[in-house]
Amino acid sequence: AQSVTQLGSHVSVSEGALVLLRCNYSSSVPPYLFWYVQYPNQGLQLLLKYTSAATLVKGINGFEAEFKKSETSFHLTKPSAHMSDAAEYFCAVNGRRGGADGLTFGKGTHLIIQP
Amino acid sequence: GAGVSQTPSNKVTEKGKYVELRCDPISGHTALYWYRQSLGQGPEFLIYFQGTGAADDSGLPNDRFFAVRPEGSVSTLKIQRTERGDSAVYLCASSLGRADTQYFGPGTRLTVL
Repeated sequence: AQSVTQLGSHVSVSEGALVLLRCNYSSSVPPYLFWYVQYPNQGLQLLLKYTSAATLVKGINGFEAEFKKSETSFHLTKPSAHMSDAAEYFCAVNGRRGGADGLTFGKGTHLIIQP
Repeated sequence: GAGVSQTPSNKVTEKGKYVELRCDPISGHTALYWYRQSLGQGPEFLIYFQGTGAADDSGLPNDRFFAVRPEGSVSTLKIQRTERGDSAVYLCASSLGRADTQYFGPGTRLTVL
């Protein structure tokens, strides 16, 4: 069984400030981990993914995430928030190496950027 | 190139009716997934196709839900005797193969009155 917990349904930061979105996972096997972003009225877009290579993963739009096995975490960060980052962010896990059984998503975190 | 497309974008139906939702994956993608996203929740896995066959249908909530992919490309999600609790956004994703990045469509918003 696998699960994802995203701490904070809403996160608000000022433009230019650090963005930190938290994700903890549970998986009985080494996981693949993903962050997706969903803009209003659009489909999910992949930000980045971890597939057991480097533990620090860089994605699009200046985002990155670090896989920490000891903490079962995969937190998403961005050094400086931009107004265009306002969206819903989802962390997801696939606990089966090979990825054939679909992703398990967290409930999402709504990122609000204050001017 | 073209992404994953889904039709219709919105569907309103009455309780007890039958609905079909269509997904056109990215050309050449052999894997296709269906998810359901309820308000305020993350997507929930329903079913996965590899080619024409359903490799994993463990996420289908009950036997009112069924999906097909007869030619290994377009897929249709079918819901019989719809209930108000079926109201959600139904998402389709495709990937080149197993374990590859899943690309999502914009979804079909289903409303059951």
